Amino acid sequence: ETGVTQTPRHLVMGMTNKKSLKCEQHLGHNAMYWYKQSAKKPLELMFVYSLEERVENNSVPSRFSPECPNSSHLFLHLHTLQPEDSALYLCASSQSNTGELFFGEGSRLTVL
Amino acid sequence: AQSVTQPDIHITVSEGASLELRCNYSYGATPYLFWYVQSPGQGLQLLLKYFSGDTLVQGIKGFEAEFKRSQSSFNLRKPSVHWSDAAEYFCAVVGVSGTYKYIFGTGTRLKVLA
Repeated sequence: ETGVTQTPRHLVMGMTNKKSLKCEQHLGHNAMYWYKQSAKKPLELMFVYSLEERVENNSVPSRFSPECPNSSHLFLHLHTLQPEDSALYLCASSQSNTGELFFGEGSRLTVL
Repeated sequence: AQSVTQPDIHITVSEGASLELRCNYSYGATPYLFWYVQSPGQGLQLLLKYFSGDTLVQGIKGFEAEFKRSQSSFNLRKPSVHWSDAAEYFCAVVGVSGTYKYIFGTGTRLKVLA
């Protein structure tokens, strides 16, 4: 596989469930990102990892918990979410902190 | 505050017509500038980027953009639109000092009439 791969593509969960989103990049990049995309709003940066260390945590509620076990994998653990958390969650990677972002196709999350 | 403004939420053009999508930014210093495109159900793909040098930048799929420092603008253009260009377009900036904080506009949705 090439590029940035996200799984699952679609996820429906109840407010009491625990689930995880997975992102994998095959580009050899050293930075990985989670963005939230909601209708009529700019992309919201949630977390950034550089060389497996978190370098940005954009005031995200604690019900979202990121994990970066190595430079190729990034997870977003979800628990006790709210309906307003329904959105498209995009993973991205970059070689540097100013270079082009490469995006995955996103995980569409619906919270019931 | 740092921000990116795309004043047009929706734009409709006829196939073969020219296109210009507007982007204005507010930033402490001139940032690096990007245009991305997102097709339905897909992630974002880079069209072009401006770091320095020639202010007219060529990208993929026949797109170009012009950086105008005096107007804090980075407008995207295409001379002749194809039906496959229907998508959402996002302008983005990031500081040259390197912060990982890419700032995106709200996007412009392009509809192409046959």
